[in-house]
Amino acid sequence: LAKTTQPISMDSYEGQEVNITCSHNNIATNDYITWYQQFPSQGPRFIIQGYKTKVTNEVASLFIPADRKSSTLSLPRVSLSDTAVYYCLVGAIMDSNYQLIWGAGTKLIIKP
Amino acid sequence: ETGVTQTPRHLVMGMTNKKSLKCEQHLGHNAMYWYKQSAKKPLELMFVYSLEERVENNSVPSRFSPECPNSSHLFLHLHTLQPEDSALYLCASSQPGATNEKLFFGSGTQLSVL
Repeated sequence: LAKTTQPISMDSYEGQEVNITCSHNNIATNDYITWYQQFPSQGPRFIIQGYKTKVTNEVASLFIPADRKSSTLSLPRVSLSDTAVYYCLVGAIMDSNYQLIWGAGTKLIIKP
Repeated sequence: ETGVTQTPRHLVMGMTNKKSLKCEQHLGHNAMYWYKQSAKKPLELMFVYSLEERVENNSVPSRFSPECPNSSHLFLHLHTLQPEDSALYLCASSQPGATNEKLFFGSGTQLSVL
């Protein structure tokens, strides 16, 4: 059964770097790994997407090892406003069909 | 503002009621989606429309009926729901292309079935 697994929750402090790892053993060969952020009473919002190695944008970095069976979202110097739920999303082949598999989300709490 | 607008934001309905959720996107995308989000569970894909044709229906009960009159609008018609259908219903849109294209979500409709 294809699934993505990520920690249920994490705590950190303002100014720290936070790393959230997602495992996705059955990722489709040509598929990307995508991370979303969700605040209460809002829908998920795209953060970053990558295929392999490292991707960096203005808000985060994404590290993907060579086997692509996991990925790590890195948030540099977090602030209170980074408190949210973070989801990884990958595509996988299940019963010969391509499906998008969402993780259950990691609730990140940033403390002052 | 994501460019995807959902109404209503909150809905309380009895099990015998009929109601509809509405989604509108202003992004010029060709694909629209309905997702169900329950507490402590992964997002569940319900329906996918591409170019106004339904391309995916993930074994959703018939008490949920989608409608896509054009590429900018998506509806979810609800009737004779059960209390376990209470959840946040999210609409999303994307521009189909490579696999795992970026999804743009609305703020959702928080549904409570009594």
